[in-house]
Amino acid sequence: DTAVSQTPKYLVTQMGNDKSIKCEQNLGHDTMYWYKQDSKKFLKIMFSYNNKELIINETVPNRFSPKSPDKAHLNLHINSLELGDSAVYFCASSHPGTGYNEQFFGPGTRLTVL
Amino acid sequence: TQLLEQSPQFLSIQEGENLTVYCNSSSVFSSLQWYRQEPGEGPVLLVTVVTGGEVKKLKRLTFQFGDARKDSSLHITAAQPGDTGLYLCAGSYSSASKIIFGSGTRLSIRP
Repeated sequence: DTAVSQTPKYLVTQMGNDKSIKCEQNLGHDTMYWYKQDSKKFLKIMFSYNNKELIINETVPNRFSPKSPDKAHLNLHINSLELGDSAVYFCASSHPGTGYNEQFFGPGTRLTVL
Repeated sequence: TQLLEQSPQFLSIQEGENLTVYCNSSSVFSSLQWYRQEPGEGPVLLVTVVTGGEVKKLKRLTFQFGDARKDSSLHITAAQPGDTGLYLCAGSYSSASKIIFGSGTRLSIRP
């Protein structure tokens, strides 16, 4: 199946821990993103990579560090997790060649920090 | 500051009724997209509108881009329970810029 996939689907952890979320797309897209969706369902961009290069870095704490080993993968590592980091994190990809940045989203990772 | 405001925030109607969801901004966008998100899943693209005044139809869904490219509407005719979900509009200033998502409209269709 061609798609954007994320692992894990659910992540429950204690405050202060370090965790990673992985994302892979097999759509052949050049650009990948991380979004955070809060409890009010507001979807906000965090990072964007184009061909492994960081192009968008919103005001996100330094505890969040994305890493793109190749253009099909974009991982998100979070250090020293805080209660406020609890949210659903979505990976997405797009092909800028279309001109409209249409987003293809993964199924999301629900992170709960206790 | 929320650049894209959607209204209403919540809407619960009976199956068979019609409805309209609005997406408003003071900014001009080069294109605007509508997504639908179901519980436990990621948003799925429904349509992209790019020309001021453009109207696009997707079965019972009609999407319109405002003449000034600052606003958009989504009209659903004869709503069905399968239309239930979170509807998100998203604007883009250019092909190289980030997408900005609206505040969302949660739609519930009662059988």
